[in-house]
Amino acid sequence: KAGVTQTPRYLIKTRGQQVTLSCSPISGHRSVSWYQQTPGQGLQFLFEYFSETQRNKGNFPGRFSGRQFSNSRSEMNVSTLELGDSALYLCASSTGQVEGEQYFGPGTRLTVT
Amino acid sequence: AQSVTQLDSQVPVFEEAPVELRCNYSSSVSVYLFWYVQYPNQGLQLLLKYLSGSTLVESINGFEAEFNKSQTSFHLRKPSVHISDTAEYFCAVSDILTGGGNKLTFGTGTQLKVEL
Repeated sequence: KAGVTQTPRYLIKTRGQQVTLSCSPISGHRSVSWYQQTPGQGLQFLFEYFSETQRNKGNFPGRFSGRQFSNSRSEMNVSTLELGDSALYLCASSTGQVEGEQYFGPGTRLTVT
Repeated sequence: AQSVTQLDSQVPVFEEAPVELRCNYSSSVSVYLFWYVQYPNQGLQLLLKYLSGSTLVESINGFEAEFNKSQTSFHLRKPSVHISDTAEYFCAVSDILTGGGNKLTFGTGTQLKVEL
């Protein structure tokens, strides 16, 4: 069974631009969660999508948004990039059950200059 | 809101020695607890989890963790570490009532460095 894939793996953007990151979950998984990992703030939950609906949300500004498609693939968008958005963005997939186990992808390393 | 404290940011240990990585979480009625491991330039891998039942849970590579509700702790232990255990370890908690395992709150991580 293929694991969680994230594209692109590395990205360099300029302040003020926007970016879209993609995540393909494990086949059969209906839940996709996104996390931001930085040296200063650690791992922080962004949001979770389940069956194309946002089911949980973390404490991030509205510049961070996401969506999920009918095939469970998910995209995350960050608009008006700031230097502080430089981070490793991790995607995790699960069956969506409350006791479900999350499987993480390798992440997308975003650098904002 | 949930919070997780990993008191030790770095733990150096010699190969074949025992190790304990500490994790405390804020109190909640019902929680799930997890330990994840992250190797350099990789995503997170689940090491072990506590959902319910026996308070002692084990991983396939010799790690174990014990859920202690009264002390709100979930410390990770291994009786004899190997050089390949060098990695960063994250403790995570989820509140069953507000997202379960799909919304994790992570600790700041503990870098385990195994030396020869």
